[in-house]
Amino acid sequence: GAVVSQHPSRVICKSGTSVKIECRSLDFQATTMFWYRQFPKQSLMLMATSNEGSKATYEQGVEKDKFLINHASLTLSTLTVTSAHPEDSSFYICSAGTGIPYEQYFGPGTRLTVT
Amino acid sequence: AQTVTQSQPEMSVQEAETVTLSCTYDTSESDYYLFWYKQPPSRQMILVIRQEAYKQQNATENRFSVNFQKAAKSFSLKISDSQLGDAAMYFCAYWATSGTYKYIFGTGTRLKVLA
Repeated sequence: GAVVSQHPSRVICKSGTSVKIECRSLDFQATTMFWYRQFPKQSLMLMATSNEGSKATYEQGVEKDKFLINHASLTLSTLTVTSAHPEDSSFYICSAGTGIPYEQYFGPGTRLTVT
Repeated sequence: AQTVTQSQPEMSVQEAETVTLSCTYDTSESDYYLFWYKQPPSRQMILVIRQEAYKQQNATENRFSVNFQKAAKSFSLKISDSQLGDAAMYFCAYWATSGTYKYIFGTGTRLKVLA
C-alpha cells in the first residue's frame, strides 16, 4: 500500500527558532498534501492544503506567515513553523493523496515541543 | 457548511463483544464519502472503512461494518468480536465530492476494550 513518511518524528526546539517538518510520499506521486494539527485528546484540525507547484491554501485562522508550507515536488511537502512559541507545541500530521480525491494516506505524525 | 458529530466521547466494550460507535453529519450535498478512521496510541491514522453515499449497501470490512442511514444522516460503526487491539480513538470523517476537497473530522470516540 501507499506509504507516507514524516521527518522528524519528534523535535524539540527553543522559543523563537524555526523548525521544518517534511512529509514524503514514498511510493506514489502526491499532487495534493494536507497538513493537520492535533492537540491532546482532540480531533485533527486541518491547517492547509498543499498542491504541487502552487501556493498552499490555508484554513481560516491559520497564520500563513507562521506556518510556511512548500510543496516543491510530487513526493515532498514541508511545513516550517517560524519563530516557534510554546503554544505551537502540538502533534502535526500530514496526509497525501494518490489522485483519487478521497484517497488519503496519513503520515505517522511529528511531535513538536517548543521550550 | 458540513459538520460531523460524534456524541460519545468514550465507549467501553468487553473483549469478544460487539460495540457500536455513533456518528451523525450535516450536509446539503447528495454525493459524498464517509469514513471511519482508527488512531491507536501510536497516533498513526488507519482507515477502517469507507462508504460511498450513492451506495445503499452498507460497507463491511471483516469485523467492521457500518449502518448508513442517508436520510437520517447517520453513519455508525459496528465492531464485532472486539479485540484488545481495537482499543483506540475512532474518528468519523466526511469528504465532499464537489467544492473543497478535504476531510471534515468528528471529535472522536475513545474505545476501551476490557479483557
